[in-house]
Amino acid sequence: DTGVSQNPRHKITKRGQNVTFRCDPISEHNRLYWYRQTLGQGPEFLTYFQNEAQLEKSRLLSDRFSAERPKGSFSTLEIQRTEQGDSAMYLCASSLVGGLGYTFGSGTRLTVV
Amino acid sequence: GQQVMQIPQYQHVQEGEDFTTYCNSSTTLSNIQWYKQRPGGHPVFLIQLVKSGEVKKQKRLTFQFGEAKKNSSLHITATQTTDVGTYFCAPGAQKLVFGQGTRLTINP
Repeated sequence: DTGVSQNPRHKITKRGQNVTFRCDPISEHNRLYWYRQTLGQGPEFLTYFQNEAQLEKSRLLSDRFSAERPKGSFSTLEIQRTEQGDSAMYLCASSLVGGLGYTFGSGTRLTVV
Repeated sequence: GQQVMQIPQYQHVQEGEDFTTYCNSSTTLSNIQWYKQRPGGHPVFLIQLVKSGEVKKQKRLTFQFGEAKKNSSLHITATQTTDVGTYFCAPGAQKLVFGQGTRLTINP
């Protein structure tokens, strides 16, 4: 297993465009998390899945954000009508229920111009 | 939800000096995890503390969980340049809530 994989590594988009990121977790991990991190800040929770069920979504998350994990394996995070304030590193992590710690991917850096 | 404050926000030390970062909460925490993020990297899991008063060591790193389970600390003895990075505490049961982190820089 190569760990948590995120694609693309970098994305530059124009304001108003839609973007989609993909996360492939560690195969035996049943929980998958999305976080957002801006410079100098800690990761901010966005949403998480247990298998294919989305169990929680941050109240701070705009309706422009949606995430899916259709077969309980990989996940996608879509941002519609991007704004400059969406520019950040989007981190995916996975874990086992009852396991120790999250394994993070290298992230997708989004720049909205 | 569970919120924590980490202090200090920044710490610059000479190589070989000790370093401590503190994580404080106004509420009792069920558990707390610590992560390290190197510059340009992603967070990497270090340890989880669950029991009141728990102390765990990893080589030069010592992690403590307060008796009241409202605070935690990470102490690094004799820092090395490889210790450079941001250290985050993160409490949480179903999901982790990360603090702002303490950024450690080291003068070789």
